[in-house]
Amino acid sequence: ETGVTQSPTHLIKTRGQQVTLRCSSQSGHNTVSWYQQALGQGPQFIFQYYREEENGRGNFPPRFSGLQFPNYSSELNVNALELDDSALYLCASSLQAGEESEQFFGPGTRLTVL
Amino acid sequence: SQKIEQNSEALNIQEGKTATLTCNYTNYSPAYLQWYRQDPGRGPVFLLLIRENEKEKRKERLKVTFDTTLKQSLFHITASQPADSATYLCALDRGSYIPTFGRGTSLIVHP
Repeated sequence: ETGVTQSPTHLIKTRGQQVTLRCSSQSGHNTVSWYQQALGQGPQFIFQYYREEENGRGNFPPRFSGLQFPNYSSELNVNALELDDSALYLCASSLQAGEESEQFFGPGTRLTVL
Repeated sequence: SQKIEQNSEALNIQEGKTATLTCNYTNYSPAYLQWYRQDPGRGPVFLLLIRENEKEKRKERLKVTFDTTLKQSLFHITASQPADSATYLCALDRGSYIPTFGRGTSLIVHP
């Protein structure tokens, strides 16, 4: 186990709703990244937070937003859910942004949008 | 547009043989390349990182090669075991420290 935890494990929402996913980083890690992984695909980078500031963003619309807290835990918020948002959402923590630091992934949250 | 290609077909091999997985890329100049293992319903687990100026990296039964001319990385598992069965992802990074992942290749090791 990596020490990165995510909640909830599974979630079912309907189109148009909003969702908040949570991630608790490994102890001592100040950087968290969020990824979306559709079935049969590799993880796609959503954004990264370093010491509570957004440090990079992938090709996702503004309805995907995030937050990192002083204890370095993090949230991913998705507004106006669409069917295509159904995926496994992964968070990964690392020791330091801007370095070749190993990312430790959590088990993911499986989101189903109906 | 940039592309990372991993064989979408599963690789089936017998226990004890060497598994070789391929990662090809186009329109990309990675500073380094990483390999991850992912089990069903779990997050990826980091295995190895190789830099653009390195040809080969080893870790126990794992070996990675990186050919920036061919734009290809090979990932080898020697003396494979059924416990090695998983999906293996390659990820490229051009130095932004935000990796771009391939779709992964499933490896099935038969006893």
